[in-house]
Amino acid sequence: LAKTTQPISMDSYEGQEVNITCSHNNIATNDYITWYQQFPSQGPRFIIQGYKTKVTNEVASLFIPADRKSSTLSLPRVSLSDTAVYYCLVGDNDKLIFGTGTRLQVFP
Amino acid sequence: GAGVSQTPSNKVTEKGKYVELRCDPISGHTALYWYRQSLGQGPEFLIYFQGTGAADDSGLPNDRFFAVRPEGSVSTLKIQRTERGDSAVYLCASSPPASGGGDTQYFGPGTRLTVL
Repeated sequence: LAKTTQPISMDSYEGQEVNITCSHNNIATNDYITWYQQFPSQGPRFIIQGYKTKVTNEVASLFIPADRKSSTLSLPRVSLSDTAVYYCLVGDNDKLIFGTGTRLQVFP
Repeated sequence: GAGVSQTPSNKVTEKGKYVELRCDPISGHTALYWYRQSLGQGPEFLIYFQGTGAADDSGLPNDRFFAVRPEGSVSTLKIQRTERGDSAVYLCASSPPASGGGDTQYFGPGTRLTVL
């Protein structure tokens, strides 16, 4: 399973766009890229998943370059409630391997 | 519909005791996973069930940990002779039958285990 590297923490202000980049140099052909969000005292929650190019849903966008060695989670116009830990994972199903994630703090 | 539920939400026990943690997955989900999470860390995989059988138990730290899913739905994680180092939040997740591509896992709120 590919290892991922992402920033330990990021700060932002309400209304700004936040981009969190994740490196996964050893991603395998079958691997998908998935992002989870976790609030304190809750289990992780699925945000978005992609294989290549760009994926967008009601919550976020995921940008994946052609070589797939990195990906960027984009959160448009963050609010205070987006303060959480964001995990980037790569794999091809079954067990998820979490790193320490990126702790996003949104300020008013 | 109901999400993944876990009971109890909190469990305090003494070193050396036996504990059972229960997970009720989302109805119809065939895969069930157990993870544990220590403070400041991401969840750590323990075991994965596909139906009633353990498809991958490579994350169980030692033989004090055991999990069952006898009817392919509810699962119980059992820890014998608990140690203080077992203190963590134990998370359960489930996912639907594979539909091609990566499967989303739906997590429960976790059980916070404290071993005194």
